[in-house]
Amino acid sequence: DIQMTQSPSTLSASVGDTVTITCRASQNINSWLAWYQHKAGKGPRLLISKASNLEGGVPSRFSGSGSGTEFTLIITNLQPDDSASYHCQQYDTYGWTFGQGTKVEVK
Amino acid sequence: DVRLLESGGGLVQPGGSLRLSCAASGFMFSNHGINWVRQAPGKGLEWVSVIGGNGGRLEYADSVKGRFTISRDNLRNTVYLRMNSLRAEDTAVYYCAKRVGDMSGPFDSWGQGVLVTVSS
Repeated sequence: DIQMTQSPSTLSASVGDTVTITCRASQNINSWLAWYQHKAGKGPRLLISKASNLEGGVPSRFSGSGSGTEFTLIITNLQPDDSASYHCQQYDTYGWTFGQGTKVEVK
Repeated sequence: DVRLLESGGGLVQPGGSLRLSCAASGFMFSNHGINWVRQAPGKGLEWVSVIGGNGGRLEYADSVKGRFTISRDNLRNTVYLRMNSLRAEDTAVYYCAKRVGDMSGPFDSWGQGVLVTVSS
């Protein structure tokens, strides 16, 4: 299976800050990468598909980039509502594996 | 609106069985693959199983292959996950998630999850 490695595992930032989360795939997945936001007690929410395509209703503060094996999620102008865990997922091949998640705390 | 609602979770002893259900509404059910994804306490998300829109294609993670069975009833807009020979490591919140396509694409809608606890 393709392994997905996310970093950092946790981060703490202030309102208005810009944060960056990195996701690395163990092999080439082209742009078949999604980012999800996950809050406690709810199901994950799809934020970005195909590495950089923002889903409808997702604030433009969220952006994604990358291709091949290296991907990035950037949140600018961090807001209190952004406190959540963020997960990358490859949907290129069987296993549809997720990264281990990044917990974002907004101070 | 798309809605997915899981049910059937609970406490079960090691070696026991459970059947989870995922009731769907708000979209053309038979056109979309439905996945089960779980999250064990303190761990990340783990894909478990997927079934194609017409039920013809099934896939399982190696960790559950031979113990779990996925199925669907397109008349009832429901997907099931039969879990046998449960182990402590199957303890997790289980989510059902709709696929953008049949067997391709990311997971664009999720249920709120149901807790399965395997313990004596």
